[in-house]
Amino acid sequence: QKEVEQDPGPLSVPEGAIVSLNCTYSNSAFQYFMWYRQYSRKGPELLMYTYSSGNKEDGRFTAQVDKSSKYISLFIRDSQPSDSATYLCAMIHHNSGGSNYKLTFGKGTLLTVNP
Amino acid sequence: KAGVTQTPRYLIKTRGQQVTLSCSPISGHRSVSWYQQTPGQGLQFLFEYFSETQRNKGNFPGRFSGRQFSNSRSEMNVSTLELGDSALYLCASSLTGQVNQPQHFGDGTRLSIL
Repeated sequence: QKEVEQDPGPLSVPEGAIVSLNCTYSNSAFQYFMWYRQYSRKGPELLMYTYSSGNKEDGRFTAQVDKSSKYISLFIRDSQPSDSATYLCAMIHHNSGGSNYKLTFGKGTLLTVNP
Repeated sequence: KAGVTQTPRYLIKTRGQQVTLSCSPISGHRSVSWYQQTPGQGLQFLFEYFSETQRNKGNFPGRFSGRQFSNSRSEMNVSTLELGDSALYLCASSLTGQVNQPQHFGDGTRLSIL
């Protein structure tokens, strides 16, 4: 079983739709959760960074973490064609001492928002 | 503020050769991590450097190595290249590599092995 599972899509939605992207994980030691957006031929760009269970909102983006279910989500409201990209979830399982961490990524979901 | 810069952007090599990729982190950032991205495996962690020392390593063979210089710039070397090494190699930097510091990525080096 992979540590982080993410549906690769592709996901195609009309402009203005609410998009829901999800990841599940198996290792309860993951403590920090991120969502990155990656445009074609570009590196990943950090969108959201959360630690605790619950919701975190930033503009049209909401990140949700449910540690009891080992499930994280990213919601995009009023989606725009410029949101078309691959969305990657990432998690940190850090060593004691707070440093020396690595990111474990999902494989990414390809999203297309059609005008 | 300039972002993470990776050079070259594209590289074509043949099997058996070796290659060196370069990464300049964001000014002031001292932690540099390297990742390999392929369609099949996604993004996988290679290693992380801080203050010229490798602190963390992923599950890659010894053909993959790296180093960091006193100005925090980092290089990654792959020896005896194999077809399966074709990938996008990404570098990410953060201030000191602490868990509460997000990593910022460059646009990567696309390596193709013929």
